[in-house]
Amino acid sequence: GAVVSQHPSRVICKSGTSVKIECRSLDFQATTMFWYRQFPKKSLMLMATSNEGSKATYEQGVEKDKFLINHASLTLSTLTVTSAHPEDSSFYICSARSRDRGGTNEKLFFGSGTQLSVL
Amino acid sequence: LAKTTQPISMDSYEGQEVNITCSHNNIATNDYITWYQQFPSQGPRFIIQGYKTKVTNEVASLFIPADRKSSTLSLPRVSLSDTAVYYCLVGDSSSGGYQKVTFGTGTKLQVIP
Repeated sequence: GAVVSQHPSRVICKSGTSVKIECRSLDFQATTMFWYRQFPKKSLMLMATSNEGSKATYEQGVEKDKFLINHASLTLSTLTVTSAHPEDSSFYICSARSRDRGGTNEKLFFGSGTQLSVL
Repeated sequence: LAKTTQPISMDSYEGQEVNITCSHNNIATNDYITWYQQFPSQGPRFIIQGYKTKVTNEVASLFIPADRKSSTLSLPRVSLSDTAVYYCLVGDSSSGGYQKVTFGTGTKLQVIP
């Protein structure tokens, strides 16, 4: 299947600093990527839809000034957690939709996730 | 977006077949049903996708009745490594039609030795 690479896998930062998470589609172009947040033992919560060349669409309750999303190319979307605080500590996951080789339907392919710990 | 309902958790012994059912009563005509597996601290991994009847691949089978209001993921002869959370997602998977997908609670499968 298609590969989505997410980096870094784990980051620890001090309160007040900003952290950037990258999500790359390695073997396909992704006009749309999705960013999720997941708390321990909970389901994935959609934060925003990242559209190449345009502004991201944020879900209700997600602060767009806190979670900056940039989708400058067809293979890269970034999520920047600005002025991070301990309550921002969470597992962040990106996904992109793509057709499998020879397939006609799209599927979502997910990155491996980033564990953010804010001290 | 079609909402999905799954059992919160299931237990199974090693070597048994496990069936996880998902309800999606308001599934739309263009919606496909996709199942994902997630291990702790990892992103979800695609398992299988289907529209109707039965789909089988090397790891699982997916059964979808004629009314498509539910689906059942079947895992043959589970092993301890199949312990994970399984999510059922419903959405329009036609080319260019896949909009945002929201996750339900998922089913936590615990395989017991």
